[in-house]
Amino acid sequence: SQQGEEDPQALSIQEGENATMNCSYKTSINNLQWYRQNSGRGLVHLILIRSNEREKHSGRLRVTLDTSKKSSSLLITASRAADTASYFCATDPPVIKAAGNKLTFGGGTRVLVKP
Amino acid sequence: EAQVTQNPRYLITVTGKKLTVTCSQNMNHEYMSWYRQDPGLGLRQIYYSMNVEVTDKGDVPEGYKVSRKEKRNFPLILESPSPNQTSLYFCASSGKDSYEQYFGPGTRLTVT
Repeated sequence: SQQGEEDPQALSIQEGENATMNCSYKTSINNLQWYRQNSGRGLVHLILIRSNEREKHSGRLRVTLDTSKKSSSLLITASRAADTASYFCATDPPVIKAAGNKLTFGGGTRVLVKP
Repeated sequence: EAQVTQNPRYLITVTGKKLTVTCSQNMNHEYMSWYRQDPGLGLRQIYYSMNVEVTDKGDVPEGYKVSRKEKRNFPLILESPSPNQTSLYFCASSGKDSYEQYFGPGTRLTVT
């Protein structure tokens, strides 16, 4: 079963607008990561936030984590057409090294940025 | 260039015909995994390996085999493919000191 559930499933915005997507998960985590996938291609790591962090920035990306609500959000500011992709959150359990860096992925949010 | 490679990228086969999808990484990573991606189900881990000769089942291992004879290679074997194994497959690797996973470009498999 999926650990993370992204919301919304799909998002359509104009270039220059901000895109926000959310991820909820069910069990305790060690870290939460966000990945991007361009259509049918491999996933690319975007950002990792540790369970003891609340907010993290990387370029135009801002990630928040609320462990009390078991949720995270990914904000992409000033979106570009090249940001069109699917975005996945992925969590790993507290005892991660015993499971080979096992990640559990959500179903993803499809983002379309219109020029 | 640091990368994970998979071959083939596309494969159409028939039920029961054994196949192997190769995966290789050039980053000297200890951990390697295989995932399958299906619409609405996200990515699910099939098998993983923590090092040479150390492999274990993920969430959906039925119908698959793996081996890790060399650190850089982690092939996925379907001994008798069935149509429900039609999917997009990804290999991924990560170092023992990092949680970030590097993904291959994917193998789209169709079993008729």
